[in-house]
Amino acid sequence: QVQLQESGPGLVKPSDTLSLTCAVSGYSISSSNWWGWIRQPPGKGLEWIGYIYYSGSIYYNPSLKSRVTMSVDTSKNQFSLKLSSVTAVDTAVYYCARTRYNWNDSPDAFDIWGQGTMVTVSS
Amino acid sequence: DIQMTQSPSTLSASVGDRVTITCRASQSISSWLAWYQQKPGKAPKLLIYKASSLESGVPSRFSGSGSGTEFTLTISSLQPDDFATYYCQQYNSYFTFGPGTKVDIK
Repeated sequence: QVQLQESGPGLVKPSDTLSLTCAVSGYSISSSNWWGWIRQPPGKGLEWIGYIYYSGSIYYNPSLKSRVTMSVDTSKNQFSLKLSSVTAVDTAVYYCARTRYNWNDSPDAFDIWGQGTMVTVSS
Repeated sequence: DIQMTQSPSTLSASVGDRVTITCRASQSISSWLAWYQQKPGKAPKLLIYKASSLESGVPSRFSGSGSGTEFTLTISSLQPDDFATYYCQQYNSYFTFGPGTKVDIK
């Protein structure tokens, strides 16, 4: 079955860049789905970070756009997130997820999620 | 930006109760709305997409309705496994999640 697995450092220093990768198994990342990142600070709600298509089309949350970079590696069937200049407010569980196929190729609801990875920003 | 609100923020209910959660968008999003269920320490699970379409494998006691700016998620008969937090999400213009509604035991 389709599985997504986040990986990356669990601890990042303030002002550094947070880097995460999402490995996709059981499904081709080059299919007609968008791939996204979502985060959830401890005890709080969900925040969409951005989504990317295998062709390289990308959309970021405007509130994070200046610090976010996403990329896709079709040869490794994975996609990545970089968040620069992190502070304590970026401490959160980070999820990667797949959007449902949409006949018009636009992003749809997230139907498959990774288990999430906790990232703490602290010196 | 499209803002999402949910009401109530917390709902106390008993097994067998009919439960309704409301989600409102700051502008029309047509039917581009999803509902998720999240349990502590777990990733969200998609329940409903396109406002009223039931995701495969989701029990039929869950249903969604609405269009434009007002939407509802209904659980027809609350089961023990349904105590969780529920989020709505619009995908008409970028993505925005609602703040969540926690359903706990009365």
